[in-house]
Amino acid sequence: GAVVSQHPSRVICKSGTSVKIECRSLDFQATTMFWYRQFPKQSLMLMATSNEGSKATYEQGVEKDKFLINHASLTLSTLTVTSAHPEDSSFYICSARSGLYEQYFGPGTRLTVT
Amino acid sequence: GQQVMQIPQYQHVQEGEDFTTYCNSSTTLSNIQWYKQRPGGHPVFLIQLVKSGEVKKQKRLTFQFGEAKKNSSLHITATQTTDVGTYFCAGPGYSSASKIIFGSGTRLSIRP
Repeated sequence: GAVVSQHPSRVICKSGTSVKIECRSLDFQATTMFWYRQFPKQSLMLMATSNEGSKATYEQGVEKDKFLINHASLTLSTLTVTSAHPEDSSFYICSARSGLYEQYFGPGTRLTVT
Repeated sequence: GQQVMQIPQYQHVQEGEDFTTYCNSSTTLSNIQWYKQRPGGHPVFLIQLVKSGEVKKQKRLTFQFGEAKKNSSLHITATQTTDVGTYFCAGPGYSSASKIIFGSGTRLSIRP
């Protein structure tokens, strides 16, 4: 079945540094990838929609200069959290879609900013 | 803005009891999906419903899409400890069908 990987699974960084998270679709080509963040005991909040070769579409309230998304190929999208602060600590999850509806989620990346 | 709400927020049941979570959208949905997220894990796709009034079953799980395509339910018969997790419904965004809006989720815990 469709598999999506994320790397790293956990990252701890100091305030002010940048962190890059990779999302890969391993056995299919993803026309669209999505980035979500999830705070403890809360639902998934969509941050941005990413299509290969084009600029990401950010949801309202998400700073595009802070959360840089690059969708370089049909199997890879990256999210860079720039100048991270403790309030950016969260669970970041990507998903990939090849067809019309179904999304396949990566295992998530837990970011802790100290 | 578009909202997808689920009730209850939490449900704690005795193993063997039934469980139901309800999903309500502020807008009509072309389809609805259900996901399960185990504690510490990521969401896993369970099913998609497309037709008005559609009912689908997966073993002990029964999914229903409302006639008006604005609500849905997930019913689990005779819960088992493996059913523990948070169940999310999700539907296409009102402004853009290419994105998915997740419901608030229902967290199920089970007493063995």
